[in-house]
Amino acid sequence: GENVEQHPSTLSVQEGDSAVIKCTYSDSASNYFPWYKQELGKRPQLIIDIRSNVGEKKDQRIAVTLNKTAKHFSLHITETQPEDSAVYFCARGSGGSNYKLTFGKGTLLTVNP
Amino acid sequence: GAGVSQSPSNKVTEKGKDVELRCDPISGHTALYWYRQSLGQGLEFLIYFQGNSAPDKSGLPSDRFSAERTGGSVSTLTIQRTQQEDSAVYLCASSPPPSTDTQYFGPGTRLTVL
Repeated sequence: GENVEQHPSTLSVQEGDSAVIKCTYSDSASNYFPWYKQELGKRPQLIIDIRSNVGEKKDQRIAVTLNKTAKHFSLHITETQPEDSAVYFCARGSGGSNYKLTFGKGTLLTVNP
Repeated sequence: GAGVSQSPSNKVTEKGKDVELRCDPISGHTALYWYRQSLGQGLEFLIYFQGNSAPDKSGLPSDRFSAERTGGSVSTLTIQRTQQEDSAVYLCASSPPPSTDTQYFGPGTRLTVL
């Protein structure tokens, strides 16, 4: 189907630890995978994205890995800080030019000081 | 620069009334999208505009929902005869040309139907 499965639904880590969130999908035609961060009451913010021609992308403490064969992609946050606490959503693009984003149900990340 | 803006930020209405939600995309962004976010859920695609035309309306839940875009800028999402299950946050996003996948979101309109 078109769904994106996201795990875990909640994640609690200590400041300085790493956090990993994983998403799986079934549509092999997907080739665009963004991650959004949404703080309470705020708009979703694009934090990193990856396209299917690469397997990994990094931006400072954030990295995303993609395994197209297994149809899963993951968000890795290293050296977590309290301000990383938020809901994180993965998504996949479809519809030819990837305009239609299908989102996972989100992961509530809590970073404890 | 200014981001995507939406109005109103909150809307409370009675069941059966019509509502209009407004989205102002980032200046120069030709692609515009509406999504719906129900409590504790991910975002659900509603409709996609490229300029003033809507190539994909497949996510609109029923014929009570409609959207238009004029002048290639502002968009309005209209919900007629609102129902309690329409209560959600309605989010608008836009993309700079030629992109249609890198989407920047507005703050949303929280709709509550009593």
